Amino acid sequence: EAQVTQNPRYLITVTGKKLTVTCSQNMNHEYMSWYRQDPGLGLRQIYYSMNVEVTDKGDVPEGYKVSRKEKRNFPLILESPSPNQTSLYFCASSRHTGMNTEAFFGQGTRLTVV
Amino acid sequence: TQLLEQSPQFLSIQEGENLTVYCNSSSVFSSLQWYRQEPGEGPVLLVTVVTGGEVKKLKRLTFQFGDARKDSSLHITAAQPGDTGLYLCAGARAGGTSYGKLTFGQGTILTVHP
Repeated sequence: EAQVTQNPRYLITVTGKKLTVTCSQNMNHEYMSWYRQDPGLGLRQIYYSMNVEVTDKGDVPEGYKVSRKEKRNFPLILESPSPNQTSLYFCASSRHTGMNTEAFFGQGTRLTVV
Repeated sequence: TQLLEQSPQFLSIQEGENLTVYCNSSSVFSSLQWYRQEPGEGPVLLVTVVTGGEVKKLKRLTFQFGDARKDSSLHITAAQPGDTGLYLCAGARAGGTSYGKLTFGQGTILTVHP
């Protein structure tokens, strides 16, 4: 079954304690992204990766890091989380055919930073 | 800067009514997608429109892409409680540094009452 798996689903942490949210896809997609979803703001892209070892900033990259050492995995790292990073996070992998881009999303990680 | 303006943000209707959700932008997109998201889940792709003026139907849902590829609409006929959810539009651009990047609207929360 084609899927994007992210872990954990729920996480409560304290300010400043480094954390990693993992993301894995089994569709052999080259393009992967991280988004955060906040009420009234929709989905905003944090970082994206066009292929292994190729990553770039999205619209809201401050306070986040990513890596893409393997095609299937794209972890999101918060080196020193702060309360304003409390949000719902989604990993997505994308298929591109011609002019068309279709994204497949994980189930989300609800992060609370206290 | 919100490049995709989605309206309305909230919609509460009775079962059997019709509704339309709009997605507008001043930018041209190579394709536009509509996603539906249920609580506790990631967005799931409903449809992609690529050609200006294109109309696609998915059972009671009709999607239209504007002639200039700057706007789109989602029309639901005879809404049912099962249609309840968050509807998101997303535009994609092809080529250059924006290749594969999806820009999302703020979303429309639809509630259909029995």
